[in-house]
Amino acid sequence: DQQVKQNSPSLSVQEGRISILNCDYTNSMFDYFLWYKKYPAEGPTFLISISSIKDKNEDGRFTVFLNKSAKHLSLHIVPSQPGDSAVYFCAASDSWQGGSNYKLTFGKGTLLTVNP
Amino acid sequence: GAVVSQHPSWVICKSGTSVKIECRSLDFQATTMFWYRQFPKQSLMLMATSNEGSKATYEQGVEKDKFLINHASLTLSTLTVTSAHPEDSSFYICSASGPGQGNSQETQYFGPGTRLLVL
Repeated sequence: DQQVKQNSPSLSVQEGRISILNCDYTNSMFDYFLWYKKYPAEGPTFLISISSIKDKNEDGRFTVFLNKSAKHLSLHIVPSQPGDSAVYFCAASDSWQGGSNYKLTFGKGTLLTVNP
Repeated sequence: GAVVSQHPSWVICKSGTSVKIECRSLDFQATTMFWYRQFPKQSLMLMATSNEGSKATYEQGVEKDKFLINHASLTLSTLTVTSAHPEDSSFYICSASGPGQGNSQETQYFGPGTRLLVL
């Protein structure tokens, strides 16, 4: 059962435009959400996160929006740049597990291609 | 950010053999390491969580006798796939976190992964 879903396997946008990557989750216990970026032959790197007490978190060109009632979050990248081309993973965690062993549940990823 | 390495980056082996994958935190002490597996077009699935000096905690459905995890030092964890079979062919990736890196979810630093092909 896929608890974190990224229904778009790929997305293509023009340089300078907005990229919107979507993620849905089913587990209502999730209260912390993260986006990771992955280049080929490299491990995922942390991009941005959001706690369930917020509905928006912004970091430079990257903004994550959380809609708890819809169990939906999205990552907005604006303006998009060719260097943003990568696979983006959405991940979720139930922080009430306690301790530092936070288990991350990942989506399948969305391949973003930003065309010059 | 902190650096995590994995070795080997890819391995091909015959069915029935065992394969060891190393995960190292290069510039920090990792009290906790996580092992994930990713099949083609699937998400990263957590296999187990290991704390330095103690037994690993395996996720439901992961055979602990088949996937042996050792986390004997603060900079090294190993995953041994015992008696590997073609269905074990996958992409194995580790992540590490530790003191000074924070106790938050974003401070899991991932290795580049190891691609295993069992013939």
